[in-house]
Amino acid sequence: DIQMTQSPSSLSASVGDRVTITCRTSQSISSYLNWYQQKPGKAPKLLIYAASSLQSGVPSRFSGSGSGTDFTLTISGLQPEDFATYYCQQSYSAPRTFGPGTKVDIK
Amino acid sequence: EVQLVESGGGLVQPGGSLRLSCAASGFTFSRYWMHWVRQAPGKGLVWVSRINSDGSSTSYADSVKGRFTISRDNAKNTLYLQMNSLRAEDTAVYYCARDQSYGSGRDAFDIWGQGTMVTVSS
Repeated sequence: DIQMTQSPSSLSASVGDRVTITCRTSQSISSYLNWYQQKPGKAPKLLIYAASSLQSGVPSRFSGSGSGTDFTLTISGLQPEDFATYYCQQSYSAPRTFGPGTKVDIK
Repeated sequence: EVQLVESGGGLVQPGGSLRLSCAASGFTFSRYWMHWVRQAPGKGLVWVSRINSDGSSTSYADSVKGRFTISRDNAKNTLYLQMNSLRAEDTAVYYCARDQSYGSGRDAFDIWGQGTMVTVSS
């Protein structure tokens, strides 16, 4: 199975900050990487697919980059509704695996 | 409105069985591959199972292989997860999710249900 790590595991930030979350995989997955946002008690929401493609309806302050084993999710100008937990997920091989999550909370 | 609505969760004793359902609406259900993903209380997301658009191909996480069965009824726009020999470690919120890639291999889960809680306890 492909192992996923995320850093940091949590961070505190202020509205307007630029936030960067990193996801690393145990082997190269090309660009088969998705990012999800989850708020407490809610289902996850797809933000970015194929490493850098913005899902329809997702604000442009969210962006993704990377390929191979290193990936980044960037939020440019954090908004109050962005405080949540973010997960990466690989779609390169079975079984699909998720990262452990990065919790973004208010400083 | 495009949506998925799960049902069937509840409290079950270890060794027991439960069948989850996921009703789809607002889109052509029969075109999409579908998945189940679970989340134990306070924990992260774990992929459980996948079924292709016509139900002829399935895949499972090792942790549930041989105990869980995914299926679908395209005439009823419904996805199922039959869970047998349940264990305490199966306790989680179970989500059904649509794969937007039409099985191309670049799957991404674009529509999720609200989740249904399964608790395995004596």
